[in-house]
Amino acid sequence: SQTIHQWPATLVQPVGSPLSLECTVEGTSNPNLYWYRQAAGRGLQLLFYSVGIGQISSEVPQNLSASRPQDRQFILSSKKLLLSDSGFYLCATGPVGFYTEAFFGQGTRLTVV
Amino acid sequence: KQEVTQIPAALSVPEGENLVLNCSFTDSAIYNLQWFRQDPGKGLTSLLLIQSSQREQTSGRLNASLDKSSGRSTLYIAASQPGDSATYLCAVKGLTGGGNKLTFGTGTQLKVEL
Repeated sequence: SQTIHQWPATLVQPVGSPLSLECTVEGTSNPNLYWYRQAAGRGLQLLFYSVGIGQISSEVPQNLSASRPQDRQFILSSKKLLLSDSGFYLCATGPVGFYTEAFFGQGTRLTVV
Repeated sequence: KQEVTQIPAALSVPEGENLVLNCSFTDSAIYNLQWFRQDPGKGLTSLLLIQSSQREQTSGRLNASLDKSSGRSTLYIAASQPGDSATYLCAVKGLTGGGNKLTFGTGTQLKVEL
């Protein structure tokens, strides 16, 4: 089965500082990869998805960017954090085919102060 | 644009009660629907996946049904336990749109009391 590693688990960063969140996947190859943000009391917002190395699609305009340097590595970045970037960030895989499940990592709680 | 709604937003029940969580979606053109559980401060754990051609799926005390034509799914939890306390989310995968993306509901926060 798939395992998704996210780190760090929690992060407190000052406004204007850079950000790098990393996600790595085990147990599958050539996965579709996703970054979601979950704000307090709100649903999951899809930020980026990737269907292959170097292929990134952005769902919403924002202060963040994503990269996929390796097949099973997905990175979420920012050059300068805003207060509004605070939230719970989740990395996910799948579904690759139309009939497969999505799997999630344990998330990173980001607080921008 | 697909919209997914979950009612109620929060639910509190005594231990042992059978309960039903609801999920509705506006566009019936879906490949599948997935139910997740999220514990506070944690990621999502997949519970059940129902394909569009299926009517229901069962796993232990959980049973999920799907009525695609009416845009509804229910998650039935039998003999609820305090350990079932969590937020339950449903998500649908539509037939259109690239990237195999899911559309999530906002969840039902369940509390099972002793």
